[in-house]
Amino acid sequence: QVQLQESGPGLVKPSETLSLSCTVSGGSVSSASHYWTWIRQPPGKGLDWIGFIYHSGSTTYNPSLKTRVTISVDTSKNQFSLKLSSVTAADTAVYYCARMYYHGSASYPLFDYWGQGTLVTVSS
Amino acid sequence: DIQMTQSPSSLSASVGDRLTITCRASQSISDYLNWYQQKPGKAPELLIYAASSLQSGVPSRFSGSGSGTDFTLTISSLQPEDFATYYCQQSYVTPWTFGQGSKVEIK
Repeated sequence: QVQLQESGPGLVKPSETLSLSCTVSGGSVSSASHYWTWIRQPPGKGLDWIGFIYHSGSTTYNPSLKTRVTISVDTSKNQFSLKLSSVTAADTAVYYCARMYYHGSASYPLFDYWGQGTLVTVSS
Repeated sequence: DIQMTQSPSSLSASVGDRLTITCRASQSISDYLNWYQQKPGKAPELLIYAASSLQSGVPSRFSGSGSGTDFTLTISSLQPEDFATYYCQQSYVTPWTFGQGSKVEIK
């Protein structure tokens, strides 16, 4: 069974950089079939897709965050990471890591395994 | 970005009810539409992908339909464990976007 676990500081000061890691167990970030994704959810609100990475290091980001976000992968640790710079209170959210793959011949992207989520609060 | 609009945003229902949630995309997304269920304090779980395909392990009382811009999620007979928030998500083009959610509460 694939499991994902987020880790990182729960409190970040405004203007600083948010850094989170996601450790994958029961699966490999080097898988040729999977992509590794970050999604966030502000308290009481809906879900926002941040971006994803392939084991090769190829990334795709949400344009709304592109200038501030970096997703990287460490195959030796079976982890992938998120960095979000210049944070403000608007970046306060539960951050989820998730596994994505393209299903079937029509390549339907879907998120099939998620971490439990970690709340990051931006406050001085 | 493609905007996803769900209705209703919230509803009250009873165990055994048949329930339908709708999701509308701001442009055609073919059948690149997923549905997720989220319970309080938990991560979302995939229910339906490709508009109508049931994810492995999901009870058959859940079904999805639609294509183009209009989609529905139906629960044929609501069970106590189904009280949750449901999100649609378009996977047609990045940035992938979610609906605002539909919260199903006990009447």
